Amino acid sequence: DGGITQSPKYLFRKEGQNVTLSCEQNLNHDAMYWYRQDPGQGLRLIYYSQIVNDFQKGDIAEGYSVSREKKESFPLTVTSAQKNPTAFYLCASSRQGLLLEQYFGPGTRLTVT
Amino acid sequence: AQSVTQLGSHVSVSEGALVLLRCNYSSSVPPYLFWYVQYPNQGLQLLLKYTTGATLVKGINGFEAEFKKSETSFHLTKPSAHMSDAAEYFCAVRSRGGGGTSYGKLTFGQGTILTVHP
Repeated sequence: DGGITQSPKYLFRKEGQNVTLSCEQNLNHDAMYWYRQDPGQGLRLIYYSQIVNDFQKGDIAEGYSVSREKKESFPLTVTSAQKNPTAFYLCASSRQGLLLEQYFGPGTRLTVT
Repeated sequence: AQSVTQLGSHVSVSEGALVLLRCNYSSSVPPYLFWYVQYPNQGLQLLLKYTTGATLVKGINGFEAEFKKSETSFHLTKPSAHMSDAAEYFCAVRSRGGGGTSYGKLTFGQGTILTVHP
């Protein structure tokens, strides 16, 4: 089955550590996105990538980094510079084109203590 | 910049009652419009979308939404609520403009949690 996988489902880290969240898709989509979700705030865009080896900052990129070395993969690193990293992180993908919706992965819940 | 407002962070209905979740957008040009549903600790699933053409859009699970340009609204409705409809619902918009840094970006509302009582 085609889809988006995110691993792990739950992740726990100590403050000051970098952590990388995995996102893989086998939908052959060109574009991929990372969102952060906090209660009552909807989804906020962290980074997105329209093509391999290229990515752009979203609305809340500070303290995060990404890479896009393969079409299928778009890992997100939460660095120690992110002041409030505890959140639910969602990865999404879409085909290129103005009319096409985004498909979401199941999410990773990150807790930093 | 476009924005999305969902009126009511929590909506509670009885099973079998009408579901109405409100969404208004702010954009100089009517955007593409989407409704997504999220069950606890899961990703988002697309319910329906409006791109062009007929303003009444039907989606999955018996939901529908109507695009009203004059009211800049895209409210989600379902005639009869079911217990399985309990979830959080997000309205989202996407600019019709092509290219540039806004290409493909979705702007989400803050979400409405729907509770269905027996």
